[in-house]
Amino acid sequence: DTGVSQDPRHKITKRGQNVTFRCDPISEHNRLYWYRQTLGQGPEFLTYFQNEAQLEKSRLLSDRFSAERPKGSFSTLEIQRTEQGDSAMYLCASSSGAGYTFGSGTRLTVV
Amino acid sequence: DQQVKQNSPSLSVQEGRISILNCDYTNSMFDYFLWYKKYPAEGPTFLISISSIKDKNEDGRFTVFLNKSAKHLSLHIVPSQPGDSAVYFCAASAGRNTGFQKLVFGTGTRLLVSP
Repeated sequence: DTGVSQDPRHKITKRGQNVTFRCDPISEHNRLYWYRQTLGQGPEFLTYFQNEAQLEKSRLLSDRFSAERPKGSFSTLEIQRTEQGDSAMYLCASSSGAGYTFGSGTRLTVV
Repeated sequence: DQQVKQNSPSLSVQEGRISILNCDYTNSMFDYFLWYKKYPAEGPTFLISISSIKDKNEDGRFTVFLNKSAKHLSLHIVPSQPGDSAVYFCAASAGRNTGFQKLVFGTGTRLLVSP
């Protein structure tokens, strides 16, 4: 197992465009998390899945953001009508109990 | 509202010396604390954790101390090595046994270990 994989590693998009990121967790992990990290800050929680159920969403996740985890395996995070303030590192993590394994993240730049 | 605070944005130490990274928290519901290390362009990597029922946990060169009354924890690295140079994040969670472990992170401390 190669750990948590995120794709793409980098994404540059024009303001107003939609973007989608993918996360492949460690296969036996039933819990999957999305975090966002901006410059000079620590990661901030966005949302949590247990298997295919999205059980918690942060107020940071505006209506333009949607996350899915069909069949409880990989997950996607979509941002519609991107804004410059969406520029950040988007981190995915998975776990089967205590402790997370993070992916390397997707760095989004909105120009 | 910053529930987890790392007030030192950076720390420089010499190789072989002790590095002490500090973290304060405000939420008394936090019952599990973790330290992560992050290199540029990589995700955070788990280092060491401590449950609120303990006051110390040690793993090789890394020791975490927890002072619940002061709502303070610290990470000691002894001896420090140049490869330890990275950003260190303190994180906390509440209700660990519920299965949902949302982590609240501090803003990080950049450690530079010079030869």
